[in-house]
Amino acid sequence: DAKTTQPPSMDCAEGRAANLPCNHSTISGNEYVYWYRQIHSQGPQYIIHGLKNNETNEMASLIITEDRKSSTLILPHATLRDTAVYYCIVMEYGNKLVFGAGTILRVKS
Amino acid sequence: DAGVIQSPRHEVTEMGQEVTLRCKPISGHDYLFWYRQTMMRGLELLIYFNNNVPIDDSGMPEDRFSAKMPNASFSTLKIQPSEPRDSAVYFCASSLAGDYNEQFFGPGTRLTVL
Repeated sequence: DAKTTQPPSMDCAEGRAANLPCNHSTISGNEYVYWYRQIHSQGPQYIIHGLKNNETNEMASLIITEDRKSSTLILPHATLRDTAVYYCIVMEYGNKLVFGAGTILRVKS
Repeated sequence: DAGVIQSPRHEVTEMGQEVTLRCKPISGHDYLFWYRQTMMRGLELLIYFNNNVPIDDSGMPEDRFSAKMPNASFSTLKIQPSEPRDSAVYFCASSLAGDYNEQFFGPGTRLTVL
């Protein structure tokens, strides 16, 4: 599975959009981009995933560049409860999830 | 649905004792996963089951660790004998066959081995 690079931490003002970047320059054609998050003292939570097209659900939007070498997770209106570690994982469907260090997102009032 | 249920939530034991962690997956889910999380190593997959059958246990650290899934609604992770380095948070997760990587995690069991 392709490796990913994420910034170690980011801050965001409450109510503003949080844009979390992920680089995956070695991604192959059949690898998906998955995003999970882990709020302190809780289990990880699935957010969204995509292959080529941009995706949106009730939690977030996923923007994947045309060359698929990077992506951005967007939380449209961040709240204090969105403070968490966000993991970008690139993998083929059916492979094991491997969690890296992720990005610590701090939402501040 | 109540989500993935794990018990106990906290366990404190002494070195050498047997520890059993329990998990009830979401009803109807075909896959069950056991993970371990520590500050040093992050989140690691230990073992996973498909339809109650162990598929990949390559992440199980030693023979002291064993996992079973006697039926679709129950799984155990056992450590015998336990050691201080086993102290960690252990998570159970489950998913549907068609959404293998959309895993639903339980609240975890925080294990402390003294």
